[in-house]
Amino acid sequence: DVKVTQSSRYLVKRTGEKVFLECVQDMDHENMFWYRQDPGLGLRLIYFSYDVKMKEKGDIPEGYSVSREKKERFSLILESASTNQTSMYLCASSFGGGNSPLHFGNGTRLTVT
Amino acid sequence: AQRVTQPEKLLSVFKGAPVELKCNYSYSGSPELFWYVQYSRQRLQLLLRHISRESIKGFTADLNKGETSFHLKKPFAQEEDSAMYYCALMGYTGNQFYFGTGTSLTVIP
Repeated sequence: DVKVTQSSRYLVKRTGEKVFLECVQDMDHENMFWYRQDPGLGLRLIYFSYDVKMKEKGDIPEGYSVSREKKERFSLILESASTNQTSMYLCASSFGGGNSPLHFGNGTRLTVT
Repeated sequence: AQRVTQPEKLLSVFKGAPVELKCNYSYSGSPELFWYVQYSRQRLQLLLRHISRESIKGFTADLNKGETSFHLKKPFAQEEDSAMYYCALMGYTGNQFYFGTGTSLTVIP
């Protein structure tokens, strides 16, 4: 069974802090994704990566960056956290190619005060 | 543009009643569509995909290209079906997924 692990379930950070959210998958998936999940807005794609050191912007990349140095790990970085980045962050992975579904982690609930 | 619309944010049905969660999409070409479900305090997980033409937990979804819809249906709702449901569309590259805003289903005992 695919396992996508997000390092923290809950995080509380202060405005202006640099925040790292970590995600690891154990199924050798090519693709990895970061979404944020907000009530009424659904899931919005922040960034995704289809290979090591490769990244593509999603719909809402502003204020975020990502890093993928190893195939199994995909990090989301909030350069300077702001209160409007308070949200649930979901990491997901999938095999490359068509019709390969996403496998999600448990999510990280980030609160920026 | 590739987009997914779920018109209902909240849906309540009584146990044993039929349920239909609506999903409409915009896409040029042959879409690949999915339904994901998130039960309380659990991770988001795949419920079904249209290409498999399968029934999972009694749910089915039929792709209607004429109406650009992929509605999720179950003839007799159960309490354990209460969850958040998301419709998703795979983009042209096969790497991106577009999600609807989700429908929160409550099954009333």
